[in-house]
Parts: sequence; C-alpha cells; structure tokens
Amino acid sequence: GAGVSQSPSNKVTEKGKDVELRCDPISGHTALYWYRQSLGQGLEFLIYFQGNSAPDKSGLPSDRFSAERTGGSVSTLTIQRTQQEDSAVYLCASSRPPLNNSPLHFGNGTRLTVT
Amino acid sequence: QQPVQSPQAVILREGEDAVINCSSSKALYSVHWYRQKHGEAPVFLMILLKGGEQKGHDKISASFNEKKQQSSLYLTASQLSYSGTYFCGTEYNFNKFYFGSGTKLNVKP
Repeated sequence: GAGVSQSPSNKVTEKGKDVELRCDPISGHTALYWYRQSLGQGLEFLIYFQGNSAPDKSGLPSDRFSAERTGGSVSTLTIQRTQQEDSAVYLCASSRPPLNNSPLHFGNGTRLTVT
Repeated sequence: QQPVQSPQAVILREGEDAVINCSSSKALYSVHWYRQKHGEAPVFLMILLKGGEQKGHDKISASFNEKKQQSSLYLTASQLSYSGTYFCGTEYNFNKFYFGSGTKLNVKP
C-alpha cells in the first residue's frame, strides 16, 4: 500500500507569512507524529496524535505552531507568522500502536525555507 | 528527555566494526533503531523489547539491557551502504516518542 505522504515537498515563504503542512498517514495507522529536523541535526519531537486527539502539545516550540488531525487520518501542521528559525525539514510519521512492536513509518518531509 | 547517543560520529573503513550506544535516564519500554541517509527520511531497522534481547538484521544487530536502560547497535564488517546517521528512539509515557541526537557513520572504501 501507499506510504506516508507529505505535501508540499518544498515550501519557500516570506517571514511573517503563515504556512500549512500536510501529512497523509498510512491507512489504518491511528498514531501520527510530527518532528522537526534542522540542517544536520536530530529529530525534535513536536506532537503526537492518537486518533484525532493530541493529549500533550508541550512539544510545540511556540504558540505560533498548531496541529490538528481530522477523521483519524490527515493531519495539518500550521505555523503562523513564520520566522527564519522555523526553517527546517518537517517530518511526519505514522504507526499502528503499540509502539513496542510497531515501527514508525516516515514521510519524505516538507523542507520549509523562511526568507 | 531524549535518549543519549554516543559516539556523535564514526569513520570506518569497509570491513571494520562499530558500536553505537543509546542510554536513557528513564525506564524504557522498548528501543527502536533507524538509519537516515542524506536527504532521505529515516528508515526503520529494528525494535527491541526485553532486557538482554538481541536482534539481527544482516550484519547489523542490537542488544537491549533493560536494567541498565541501554541499547547498543552493532555493525560488523561494515559496507559502504551502511553510511548514514543512526538514531535510537524510545517511547516515554505511552504517548511521546523521542529520538537520540544521532550518530553519523561514514564508511570509506
């Protein structure tokens, strides 16, 4: 079946604009994760969804970041009033819980550049 | 809260061995290992569950010591294709999955 799909693959935006990043997980995967990866760095945890619910949003870097998931499927990560430090690759992953026997499947990411 | 990986970087010649370590200050339920090649998404290698469990994948294997809250990834007789960044990941509190900072492996001919 199809893997995790993310769009757009690349996004260049001006500082101060809002952007929306989309993730379409593997069908049947109820768990969905967002990570941010700055150039040459590790994977920074942003938020986790189980179904449509995100029980803990403390990983989001600031209140300019928000995320939602609808229908237990597609998720969008929204960044308002983008700043240059938001430039990074945003990766989405999905999984079928429990994680002790299910891997995370990653999309190819959205490369965000804020000019 | 993220697990700690060491070393940060390794340079090998083809055929040499390497060990990458991952440790946590909190109790681990499981440990995942992933490899990411430049410009690509991370790819799953293996999951370890029980204390002392060892798994293998070609010439790549891993162990998980639940008591010490550590996992190690063993790469034997390394190949050029093993180059990339290796991440361990672990689940805390059943709803957060954190990755270590990564170990960059460069295998040279």
